Amino acid sequence: DGGITQSPKYLFRKEGQNVTLSCEQNLNHDAMYWYRQDPGQGLRLIYYSQIVNDFQKGDIAEGYSVSREKKESFPLTVTSAQKNPTAFYLCASSIVGGVGYGYTFGSGTRLTVV
Amino acid sequence: KQEVTQIPAALSVPEGENLVLNCSFTDSAIYNLQWFRQDPGKGLTSLLLIQSSQREQTSGRLNASLDKSSGRSTLYIAASQPGDSATYLCAVYSSSASKIIFGSGTRLSIRP
Repeated sequence: DGGITQSPKYLFRKEGQNVTLSCEQNLNHDAMYWYRQDPGQGLRLIYYSQIVNDFQKGDIAEGYSVSREKKESFPLTVTSAQKNPTAFYLCASSIVGGVGYGYTFGSGTRLTVV
Repeated sequence: KQEVTQIPAALSVPEGENLVLNCSFTDSAIYNLQWFRQDPGKGLTSLLLIQSSQREQTSGRLNASLDKSSGRSTLYIAASQPGDSATYLCAVYSSSASKIIFGSGTRLSIRP
């Protein structure tokens, strides 16, 4: 079955450490997205990519970095510059920006600073 | 600027009742509206997608309507069951912002 796989499900980060969250899709979707979800708040867009080797900042990109070397993969790195990284991170994909087709989401990664 | 609002933030009803969840948006220039379900600690599951040219979509006990002119969508759940307990989010694909914008969700609890 086609879908989006996020790993790991749970991740713990020490102060000053960089960590990378994985997102892989086999839906042949062009566009991929990273969202952050905090308790009681809506989803906020971190980064998105509509084509391989190209990506754009979303609303809260500071302290995060991404790469899009393959169509199937869109890893997110949470750097030490992100001062409050504890949150639930969701990856999504869509066909050419999602117009008319909607978004498909992964199961999420919960990141905790220890 | 497009804003999406879902009221109430939480709702509790007894099993078997029909219920309506509301979603409002400020800018009618949208491509589509999507309703999602999120279980605690899980990702989002797409329930229904309504194109801007459509008035409603149905899937099983779920019916979603869209009124662009008034900036409103409703998700109707018939004969609610405890398994329907989850957070329901709506998201609009804003043509002006060229991205989807989410509401904060309605946390639904169905009492047995």
